[in-house]
Amino acid sequence: KQEVTQIPAALSVPEGENLVLNCSFTDSAIYNLQWFRQDPGKGLTSLLLIQSSQREQTSGRLNASLDKSSGRSTLYIAASQPGDSATYLCAVSTSGTYKYIFGTGTRLKVLA
Amino acid sequence: KAGVTQTPRYLIKTRGQQVTLSCSPISGHRSVSWYQQTPGQGLQFLFEYFSETQRNKGNFPGRFSGRQFSNSRSEMNVSTLELGDSALYLCASSYSGGAQETQYFGPGTRLLVL
Repeated sequence: KQEVTQIPAALSVPEGENLVLNCSFTDSAIYNLQWFRQDPGKGLTSLLLIQSSQREQTSGRLNASLDKSSGRSTLYIAASQPGDSATYLCAVSTSGTYKYIFGTGTRLKVLA
Repeated sequence: KAGVTQTPRYLIKTRGQQVTLSCSPISGHRSVSWYQQTPGQGLQFLFEYFSETQRNKGNFPGRFSGRQFSNSRSEMNVSTLELGDSALYLCASSYSGGAQETQYFGPGTRLLVL
């Protein structure tokens, strides 16, 4: 059974810092991994999607890496801003299925 | 292009009642997935529909059901509501539900069961 864990559960940093969010999964047989952002009381916004054959994806100040063999992904946020404050979720799609298994999330607060 | 829309946005029901939630996917998207989000359990997959057929189902009791119409709009129904059904219900759409596709989420329906 696939389980997805995110560390840390919460993070508070001053504006301008570079930071790393971690995601680990127990079954390496995944199709892809997505990182999402969720603002309080809102739906999810997809940030980056990494196919199982890829090692990383970049979008602006965000960079996500994937190491299937070790069951890990990291989301790197450069030069953090108060507007980055949100909960960040990673999710994996498991082989042969169309459902996503979500991690527990990291609640990020960037202080001005 | 309009995003995923969900109605209603907020709902208050009492135990034992039933509820129907609606999701309209992005135009051209044929796959709709439903998720339940609670503080204790996080985001959990309910089911996924494609071309009016349920392709996958999560580990939820039979009180949770859904359907998809020919225009790809989807509804989910929860019968005999329990207090533990209080949650944010999110739907997501994609073109075909393929694992290589980005899922686009709606704003959710927040259900409170009293």
